[in-house]
Amino acid sequence: SQQGEEDPQALSIQEGENATMNCSYKTSINNLQWYRQNSGRGLVHLILIRSNEREKHSGRLRVTLDTSKKSSSLLITASRAADTASYFCATDAGETSGSRLTFGEGTQLTVNP
Amino acid sequence: DGGITQSPKYLFRKEGQNVTLSCEQNLNHDAMYWYRQDPGQGLRLIYYSQIVNDFQKGDIAEGYSVSREKKESFPLTVTSAQKNPTAFYLCATTGWTYGYTFGSGTRLTVV
Repeated sequence: SQQGEEDPQALSIQEGENATMNCSYKTSINNLQWYRQNSGRGLVHLILIRSNEREKHSGRLRVTLDTSKKSSSLLITASRAADTASYFCATDAGETSGSRLTFGEGTQLTVNP
Repeated sequence: DGGITQSPKYLFRKEGQNVTLSCEQNLNHDAMYWYRQDPGQGLRLIYYSQIVNDFQKGDIAEGYSVSREKKESFPLTVTSAQKNPTAFYLCATTGWTYGYTFGSGTRLTVV
């Protein structure tokens, strides 16, 4: 079952612009994570935000979490062509889900040079 | 990738054949996972194991089998009962604190 749903499915921007991706989920969570996947490769963990946190930063990444709306957003500032990839949110519902991650279907980001 | 290795990178399966995908990690993590990814889609959980000699079915376990005899290894067998096995298979492990570490994947094709 897909817990997270990303929006938009695809996003195309120019280098230097900011990119915002959104994720909605259905059940209560322990934490929410964002991953990046380059074409044909494995996923790379970007950032984890716990259910009691509202915002987190890591370099050019900013993640927000609104548990009342069951939604999260990932902001990439000053994008670069190398940021071109698919971005996935994943939710960890803790013991009730067997402590496993459930992934959304991803946002394909294209950054044009 | 980061202490977790999947092999082979590409695998071809004939109709009615069982094939085994390898996943090895040297991160000393207890938990390991197998996901399937179809083109343009997210990841779906096949099987996971939180400790040696124990594993649980995920959302799409039918036609797959696993074993966890060693902490470092979590092989996945795609059996002939899996009617549509062509996909990208990803193995992952976690130490719980910093998220999952993924392997580089195995692309399985039915010929």
